[in-house]
Amino acid sequence: NAGVTQTPKFQVLKTGQSMTLQCAQDMNHNSMYWYRQDPGMGLRLIYYSASEGTTDKGEVPNGYNVSRLNKREFSLRLESAAPSQTSVYFCASSRDRDSTEAFFGQGTRLTVV
Amino acid sequence: DAKTTQPPSMDCAEGRAANLPCNHSTISGNEYVYWYRQIHSQGPQYIIHGLKNNETNEMASLIITEDRKSSTLILPHATLRDTAVYYCIVSRATSGTYKYIFGTGTRLKVLA
Repeated sequence: NAGVTQTPKFQVLKTGQSMTLQCAQDMNHNSMYWYRQDPGMGLRLIYYSASEGTTDKGEVPNGYNVSRLNKREFSLRLESAAPSQTSVYFCASSRDRDSTEAFFGQGTRLTVV
Repeated sequence: DAKTTQPPSMDCAEGRAANLPCNHSTISGNEYVYWYRQIHSQGPQYIIHGLKNNETNEMASLIITEDRKSSTLILPHATLRDTAVYYCIVSRATSGTYKYIFGTGTRLKVLA
C-alpha cells in the first residue's frame, strides 16, 4: 500500500497564479485533511472532509478551496497564490468511526515568489 | 477543542527514558489525547493515543493523570533516531470526524 500520496512534491508559483495540490489515499479512509506548516511552527488545519461530498473549514481556510472528489482523493486549490502561502502542505487521512490515528503524506513544498 | 501546552525543547541521553509532559487542563470527557512526532520535515507519524487509561504499544507508553488534565509520553529507551518534534493533541469527534489541532510541540534531542 502506498498510504497517502501527495503531488507534486515541490512547486514554485508566481504571485497570482493558481494551482491544485493533489492528495490520494488507498486505505479506504473516510476522513481526509489538509494542513500547512510554516518554518519552526506546528501544523495548522486548513480544511477537512469527514466523508465524500462533505468539507469543513479548519483553522486557516482563507485563500484556499478544497474538493473531495471521491473517497480516495482530496484536492487543495489556491486560486490566486500569495507569498504568505509559501509553506509545506501536508495531506492526511483517518478511518474514523472510532478514534483512530491519522496517516500523513510526505508533504508538498510550495514557494510563491 | 482543548488546548495543549508543552515545553518547547528537551534533551535526553541515549538509552535513557524520555518523559515528555503535556498539559491539557480544559480537556472534556469525550476528548482523546494523541501523540505524534515529526522527524526532520517529514509528515507527522502517529505514536499512541488514549482516553482515560494508560496505554502502551511497541513505541511508547502514555500516562494520563486521573483528572485527565495532563499526560506524559514515555519513550523507554531513547535512541538517536527518536530525535524529533513531539506533538500532544487533544481531539474529539466533531462533524462526523476527528479534528486534529497541532500545537508547537516539544523538540526532543537525544544525545549520544
